[in-house]
Amino acid sequence: NAGVTQTPKFQVLKTGQSMTLQCAQDMNHNSMYWYRQDPGMGLRLIYYSASEGTTDKGEVPNGYNVSRLNKREFSLRLESAAPSQTSVYFCASSESVTNQPQHFGDGTRLSIL
Amino acid sequence: AQSVAQPEDQVNVAEGNPLTVKCTYSVSGNPYLFWYVQYPNRGLQFLLKYITGDNLVKGSYGFEAEFNKSQTSFHLKKPSALVSDSALYFCAVRTGGYQKVTFGTGTKLQVIP
Repeated sequence: NAGVTQTPKFQVLKTGQSMTLQCAQDMNHNSMYWYRQDPGMGLRLIYYSASEGTTDKGEVPNGYNVSRLNKREFSLRLESAAPSQTSVYFCASSESVTNQPQHFGDGTRLSIL
Repeated sequence: AQSVAQPEDQVNVAEGNPLTVKCTYSVSGNPYLFWYVQYPNRGLQFLLKYITGDNLVKGSYGFEAEFNKSQTSFHLKKPSALVSDSALYFCAVRTGGYQKVTFGTGTKLQVIP
């Protein structure tokens, strides 16, 4: 029972570098989400995909892009990393946006120097 | 619009004592309310949800929450705290006409042996 799998678990980047965070779920869920978690700020939604083929902006989308590759996979890309993007990133999935709860991966800890 | 507040950054309770983690919400419309728990270096795990019906909701690991519409609150409770309950707890809310879930900033629960 893998659930939601995120890769990599840790990453250090230099300012200006790009990278893609990968997420896959094996629960046949329709909806997927990307959050960032920063101390004292809880979870903030970056982007979500209500269903395969659709993506929408969340609360803090600037500096990020996403791709819903297929029903299982939802990737998050940082085109030109900035120190302000140092955070812990979580991917989550749910049966649908209206049928919760969300199931979370264990996160990617990203540091940008 | 929707928002959720967790007024306490940290709650300390002695093992065996009852615990309460507070949550208040603001929505236009009927709320869907959730509690999640996060252990160190892990993703969030779903505890319980309120959609409609009985105001007292029972969830995983002996936790329960009480929905109070007049006070717009959804406090998490447990009759007898365990050291293993020590973790970060998040309240979340969604309204029917809104696809996104809004998370609170989290409350750290420390159960003292």
